Amino acid sequence: EVQLVESGGSPVQPGQSLRLSCVTSGFAFSSYSMHWVRQGPGKGLEWLSYVSSDSSTMYYAASVKGRFIISRDNAKKSLYLQLNGLRAEDTAVYYCAREIFGSGTYIWQWGQGTLVTVSS
Amino acid sequence: DIQLTQSPSFLSASVADRVTITCRASQGITTYLAWYQKKPGKAPKLLIYGASTLQSGVPSRFSGSGSGTEFTLTISSLQPEDFATYYCQQLHSYPLTFGGGTKVEIK
Repeated sequence: EVQLVESGGSPVQPGQSLRLSCVTSGFAFSSYSMHWVRQGPGKGLEWLSYVSSDSSTMYYAASVKGRFIISRDNAKKSLYLQLNGLRAEDTAVYYCAREIFGSGTYIWQWGQGTLVTVSS
Repeated sequence: DIQLTQSPSFLSASVADRVTITCRASQGITTYLAWYQKKPGKAPKLLIYGASTLQSGVPSRFSGSGSGTEFTLTISSLQPEDFATYYCQQLHSYPLTFGGGTKVEIK
């Protein structure tokens, strides 16, 4: 069974940092590209970042570029998101997702999310 | 960046109603579009990928159509468990984007 389990979310103060983890199982993690997405309270879904299977390519949303860093450890089957310089507007549930390319398109599988609360 | 505009943003409907949600892309994305159902406290649930392919396990009352810039999600007969927020997502080019969402509520 494919599983993606996020962790690391917690209450933090503005300006602080946090590292989110997404531990996976049930599939060959090193063969798949991965993403982070978030949803703030009362807001829609927002794509944040992408990393290729071998970490050679990364993309970021403009809203987090320069503050957030995506990384992965294929030996540990884990994905990470380093959140620096946190702001109140970064308060959200953060999801990791696995990208599958099949049938000529992309299909995502999602974790259950971890909550980050930024407040003084 | 590719903008996705969903309409309506809010929809009030009754059980057994036919419901159609539209997603318009600011530029052509061929069929690199997915639809998700989102309920509070739950992860997004993939309904449709490739604009029209039903994800395994999703009831056949859900269907998707379109290509290029115009897409629709149709629920042929709304069921009580379908009351949720629906999002489209483009996977054509970075930055990836989602539509603003359509909240489907009980009339």
